[in-house]
Amino acid sequence: DIVMTQSPDSLAVSLGERATINCKSSQSVLYSSDNKNYLAWYQQKPGQPPKLLIYWASTRESGVPDRFSGSGSGTDFTLTISSLQVEDVAVYYCQQYYSTPYTFGQGTKLEIK
Amino acid sequence: EVQLVESGGGLVQPGGSLRLSCAASGFTLSNYEMNWVRQAPGKGLEWVSYISTSGGKIYSADSVKGRFTISRDDAKNSLYLQMNSLRAEDTAVYYCARDGYSSGLDAFDIWGQGTMVTVSS
Repeated sequence: DIVMTQSPDSLAVSLGERATINCKSSQSVLYSSDNKNYLAWYQQKPGQPPKLLIYWASTRESGVPDRFSGSGSGTDFTLTISSLQVEDVAVYYCQQYYSTPYTFGQGTKLEIK
Repeated sequence: EVQLVESGGGLVQPGGSLRLSCAASGFTLSNYEMNWVRQAPGKGLEWVSYISTSGGKIYSADSVKGRFTISRDDAKNSLYLQMNSLRAEDTAVYYCARDGYSSGLDAFDIWGQGTMVTVSS
């Protein structure tokens, strides 16, 4: 199984500042046949289901604000929020969909400092 | 509006059974692969099971293999999860989630609101 490890577990950032969340996979999620990283980022607010933010490691889902960006390849990935807004307070998860069992990171709780 | 609505959760005793349903609307279910994902209270997300279009391929997490069965009825626009031999550790909110492969993105692009399953005596 591919193990996904996020860092940090929690993060407090001031409004308007940059937030960075890291995700590391235990093996590469880059598929050589299509050169795509099978890595997604989700946002989950209390009492709500997860919401897809980023797929293919760096493609923003329709409707997601452009302050959210994803980067990385192979085994190391980053979700960046360029200017933190109040509505960004949530738990963020990375997920690999390269192979089953599809696995999620443990989550990173993002709060306002 | 594209939507998934789960139902069938509730309180069940250890060793009991429950069948969850997920009703799809706003899109053609038969065109999409589907998944179940669960979240124990205060914990992270755990993928449970996957079913391909037409149901030809099914994959499940080791933690539920042999006890849970995913199925689909495209004529009814519905996805199901039959859960047998339930354990306390199966207590969680269960989400159905659309696999966006047919839309070119392959991640879980649509999620239901979830249904709570509590296994307790």
